[in-house]
Amino acid sequence: EAGVAQSPRYKIIEKRQSVAFWCNPISGHATLYWYQQILGQGPKLLIQFQNNGVVDDSQLPKDRFSAERLKGVDSTLKIQPAKLEDSAVYLCASSLGGAQGNIQYFGAGTRLSVL
Amino acid sequence: AQKITQTQPGMFVQEKEAVTLDCTYDTSDPSYGLFWYKQPSSGEMIFLIYQGSYDQQNATEGRYSLNFQKARKSANLVISASQLGDSAMYFCAMRPTQGGSEKLVFGKGTKLTVNP
Repeated sequence: EAGVAQSPRYKIIEKRQSVAFWCNPISGHATLYWYQQILGQGPKLLIQFQNNGVVDDSQLPKDRFSAERLKGVDSTLKIQPAKLEDSAVYLCASSLGGAQGNIQYFGAGTRLSVL
Repeated sequence: AQKITQTQPGMFVQEKEAVTLDCTYDTSDPSYGLFWYKQPSSGEMIFLIYQGSYDQQNATEGRYSLNFQKARKSANLVISASQLGDSAMYFCAMRPTQGGSEKLVFGKGTKLTVNP
């Protein structure tokens, strides 16, 4: 079974530029998550989708970050314009969804450096 | 609000020995799940083990076991017979299992180094 796919693996941009990350979840997983992991910290949830609807985006900086999940499968996370503090690893995860014992499976992440 | 505390920034262990990574948590949710993930230098978060707050027995998965002490709000990970490939960052995380967001709340992690 294929895991969560993310691209690109690495991205270097200058501040005020735009960038987009792509995620393809495990087949059949209804729930998709984007996490931000700043160096030296644990991941922090940015947004959670259930199929193509947003469940939780309370920690998404909506003035510069946006995300979509068209057709309830692939997802794209965009930053426009990027700031220095956006340098982090962006992790995508997916799960079957539901409550008890739900396991989130992560991709390898995209490492973003903003110069 | 939920909070995870991992007090060991780094741990060292000799190959083939056992090691315990500490995790304490705080939550007001009556039902919750506790997770451990491994993050090698490649960056991917690898799921290791899960413990439900109402599970009667401590979870085990191969060389991984979770020492769950509900009254003390601790969920320590025990790795037996350490291998060189176990060197990585280890994160403890939790989420409620009834209603609400399914987001995982992570600790800051512990860097484990296995010495030959």
